[in-house]
Formats: sequence, structure tokens, C-alpha cells
Amino acid sequence: SQQGEEDPQALSIQEGENATMNCSYKTSINNLQWYRQNSGRGLVHLILIRSNEREKHSGRLRVTLDTSKKSSSLLITASRAADTASYFCAIRLPSSYGKLTFGQGTILTVHP
Amino acid sequence: SAVISQKPSRDICQRGTSLTIQCQVDSQVTMMFWYRQQPGQSLTLIATANQGSEATYESGFVIDKFPISRPNLTFSTLTVSNMSPEDSSIYLCSVQSGRASGELFFGEGSRLTVL
Repeated sequence: SQQGEEDPQALSIQEGENATMNCSYKTSINNLQWYRQNSGRGLVHLILIRSNEREKHSGRLRVTLDTSKKSSSLLITASRAADTASYFCAIRLPSSYGKLTFGQGTILTVHP
Repeated sequence: SAVISQKPSRDICQRGTSLTIQCQVDSQVTMMFWYRQQPGQSLTLIATANQGSEATYESGFVIDKFPISRPNLTFSTLTVSNMSPEDSSIYLCSVQSGRASGELFFGEGSRLTVL
């Protein structure tokens, strides 16, 4: 399967701590994206990193991509209780016409 | 960005019945994607709906079970036919952003429970 695999499956931290989630995949990609889902609702796009990029930042989010290891990580710094959600990585394959393949997701719980 | 409205937001259905989910976008889009998210699982693409042509289904999904309509550039429907409890899922409509990189915007999803 080309599907991204994420770890950990669940992460529980205290407010103010950093949260790191990892994503691995098996094939060449065009880009890798991270999404957030609150309580089984729709997904919200967080950040995208292209295959020729190694690191991107957006506010408290930092994403890295290592194409040689076919892996990515999402770091949320200074977490807040409102960050509690499921986080999914998704890969876009070359010539996939917009289709994304999603990982299994990480459930993040941030305790106040 | 795009605003996507899905209806119904949730429903409880009886085995053997069919339900049609509607997806309305506030702007014209070429492709619309339908995803399924089974309980506690990730998203799986059911099909890509293009206006003016038949939907393209992913492996494991067939038109008889999940017929899709795409009558114009802002609207699509997904029908879940002859439902069984295994069809209990969240069904999500999504569209691609206008950027070439292809971020997706999602509706809030339709949570179906089949008894």
C-alpha cells in the first residue's frame, strides 16, 4: 500500500508541551500534507510540504520531510487544549490529479 | 478557499435502504472527491466526480453500490445503496483548491449509522 503510516497512534501530553507526530510512506510523492480533524468532523488543511522541500513552518507548526527515508514529521509547539484532535498526513502522488492518500492518523490529546 | 455544505449531517438508516448525500460548493470546481471514513479509521477515497462524465471509482468501490451524480460544477451527490451495518461511516465530500499543489477542502461530513 502507498498509504502513509503514522505514529504514534495516540499521544497524550500536557498543555505547553510539544507534540511530534511521524508519517512514513512507500513511494515517490509530489507533496505531503497534514490535516486536522476534530471529533469526526471535516478535515482542515494545516500545511503542505513539497518533495523538494525539507522543512516548513506555519505558526506553531513545523513540518519536516526526508524523501530519502520517505518520512515526515509534524511538530506542534507549546500545545494547547484546543489542539486536541486527530492529525492525518496525506500524500499526493505524481500525476494523481488531486487525489490524496491518507495515513491512519494520530489522536492527540492535550490536557489543560 | 471553498465552503462546502453537506446534507444530511447525520442519519440513522435501516438495513437494505439507500441514502443520498448532497454536497454543495460555493464556487465552481472541476473535480469533487468522495471519501469514506469508517469508525476509528482513516479516509479512503471512494471516487472522483467530474462534471459531464461518469465518476471514476477506486479499487473496491463500484457504481452500483455508490452511484454518484455531478450535474454541474458546484454540486454532487453520493448514494449509498442497499446499506448494511458495514456501511456505517462518515462520508466526506472534498474539492481541490485552485492551487496546483492540490490542498483539499472538506465538508463537515455525513455520519451514517446503519442498523
